[in-house]
Amino acid sequence: DVVMTQSPLSLPVTLGQPASISCRSSQSLVYSDGHTYLKWFLQRPGQSPRRLIYEVSKRGSGVPDRFSGSGSGSDFTLKISRVEAEDVGVYYCMQGTHWPPTFGQGTKVEIK
Amino acid sequence: QVQLVQSGAEVKKPGASVKVSCKTSGYTFTNSGISWVRQAPGQGLEWLGWISGYNGDANHAPRLQGRITLTTDTSTSTAYMELRSLSSDDTAVYYCARDPTAAADSEKHFDYWGQGSLVTVSS
Repeated sequence: DVVMTQSPLSLPVTLGQPASISCRSSQSLVYSDGHTYLKWFLQRPGQSPRRLIYEVSKRGSGVPDRFSGSGSGSDFTLKISRVEAEDVGVYYCMQGTHWPPTFGQGTKVEIK
Repeated sequence: QVQLVQSGAEVKKPGASVKVSCKTSGYTFTNSGISWVRQAPGQGLEWLGWISGYNGDANHAPRLQGRITLTTDTSTSTAYMELRSLSSDDTAVYYCARDPTAAADSEKHFDYWGQGSLVTVSS
């Protein structure tokens, strides 16, 4: 299985400041069709996961533009330009290129 | 609007089986699929399996081989996940998520999730 490694695992942030989470895969996530099936999710406390980003950098419907995804191959980053209180929770990356789909361990974002 | 509504919490004894349902609405069930994901207490997300709403084709995580069955009822747009021979390691919140898997529909991959169903395995 493809191993997804996130860092850091815990990220204290200041409101209004930027934040960044890294996700690395044990294999390239470029599929044979040329697309890269890397997603980012946010799970707020007590809630179901919510997809933020798909295909590395495409924001889902209704996702604020302060969230952005970047990267290629096996190295990816989620950035929040200015952290708001509602951004607290655990962020997961997930790959859907190789079967079975696998998730990162999660990065817990909390306000300092 | 798209909705996935799951069945309620269950308490099961070790060795028993559980069947969780995921009733969908707001989209054409047979044009998509459903993935199942679980989350043990305080842990991360684990993908369990996927089933097509079109023809019932399914696949699942190898570690669950022989214990998991995914089914659908197209007449009610509902997906089901049955897990057998339960142990305490299966205590978790189980989620369903819309997952068409087709590359052309990537914007729909895991875009909607159910509210989760807590399964507790305890003697």
